[in-house]
Amino acid sequence: GDQVKQSPSALSLQEGTNSALRCNFSIATTTVQWFLQNPRGSLMNLFYLVPGTKENGRLKSTFNSKESYSTLHIRDAQLEDSGTYFCAAEARGSSGNKLIFGIGTLLSVKP
Amino acid sequence: NAGVIQTPRHKVTGKGQEATLWCEPISGHSAVFWYRQTIVQGLEFLTYFRNQAPIDDSGMPKERFSAQMPNQSHSTLKIQSTQPQDSAVYLCASSLDWGISNERLFFGHGTKLSVL
Repeated sequence: GDQVKQSPSALSLQEGTNSALRCNFSIATTTVQWFLQNPRGSLMNLFYLVPGTKENGRLKSTFNSKESYSTLHIRDAQLEDSGTYFCAAEARGSSGNKLIFGIGTLLSVKP
Repeated sequence: NAGVIQTPRHKVTGKGQEATLWCEPISGHSAVFWYRQTIVQGLEFLTYFRNQAPIDDSGMPKERFSAQMPNQSHSTLKIQSTQPQDSAVYLCASSLDWGISNERLFFGHGTKLSVL
């Protein structure tokens, strides 16, 4: 919900182009995770981040804890990158920690 | 490694019936989470266990919903007297070392519950 704000809500990319997704957090969080939900509904974990940057193939993600945001960069977008991307922030509570999810970014990569 | 296994994949119940959803976490993972996904609300946290102990059930509706983890290899989510608004995809996830070090969450394929 409002605790994890994702933008944009939807994005259409031409195959081979680059783009970036963003999450802003209004809760204190120490770790962030990014997921891709494919059209069949399976949620795949892309990144688990402490403050800093990680890279995996054509994907790169950064978590800036001081400014409370995270980004996911997609380079050379491919058709199989289509799906819904979710970021999730680890929220610390009195009874334990849990992941709070954003509403997702629906990405459509077109040939 | 088969990943997180959820059964059944689809469940259709009549209003007022009971539904039990099953989850088998990845072997060796210490934490199990339950989430619910709908178009309107997105991914909502329901509850989680660590080392089979219930830690946080703050997302569970107070009536009709209950979750158990009788052993380290499975967890169940039970919904009594199901209502149409319970229709959703219920997702189970596990994590190797939640709250300590390796907290990466891995999800199952989900159980799509339809209450008629």
